[in-house]
Amino acid sequence: NAGVTQTPKFQVLKTGQSMTLQCAQDMNHNSMYWYRQDPGMGLRLIYYSASEGTTDKGEVPNGYNVSRLNKREFSLRLESAAPSQTSVYFCASSRGQGRNQPQHFGDGTRLSIL
Amino acid sequence: AQRVTQPEKLLSVFKGAPVELKCNYSYSGSPELFWYVQYSRQRLQLLLRHISRESIKGFTADLNKGETSFHLKKPFAQEEDSAMYYCALRTQGGSEKLVFGKGTKLTVNP
Repeated sequence: NAGVTQTPKFQVLKTGQSMTLQCAQDMNHNSMYWYRQDPGMGLRLIYYSASEGTTDKGEVPNGYNVSRLNKREFSLRLESAAPSQTSVYFCASSRGQGRNQPQHFGDGTRLSIL
Repeated sequence: AQRVTQPEKLLSVFKGAPVELKCNYSYSGSPELFWYVQYSRQRLQLLLRHISRESIKGFTADLNKGETSFHLKKPFAQEEDSAMYYCALRTQGGSEKLVFGKGTKLTVNP
């Protein structure tokens, strides 16, 4: 039972390069999320998708785009990477509607921008 | 605005000592609160949710609406409890977002 799977696990980019982080979940969840985790900042929401076909900005969306490809997959794209985007990126999913629905997280992608 | 505050960035205790990780929230609606744990270089895992009123790995947390707090407690800390702990608030409405605190790094010394 894989849960939430993220690829790649590690990546090093040069400033200005583009990259897409992939996320897939096999729990038939409606909602999916992308976070970045930085020391002393906790987790900050970049974008989320409450349901298939919808996406919305979170707290720190600048420099990122997302695509909810289907119910299972939610990708995060950096069009022109900047050193400030060096971070650990986590994808998460949840059932969505209804009380007390927790989010389930992937293993994360460590991204370094040189 | 929704906000979660974890006042301690770092918390260090000795094995067998009680531990309390503080979490305060600001939210005008009916809150749903969670504690997540992240062991070294692993994914975040759900530890507790307030509505379940459960004890997981010896940890408990009680929602105090009067003090707007959801502190995490364990009477006897173990070395394997060393990890990063995040308190999270779920907002209502169609977005179903979580607002996270900045986290507390717990170190349990032998």
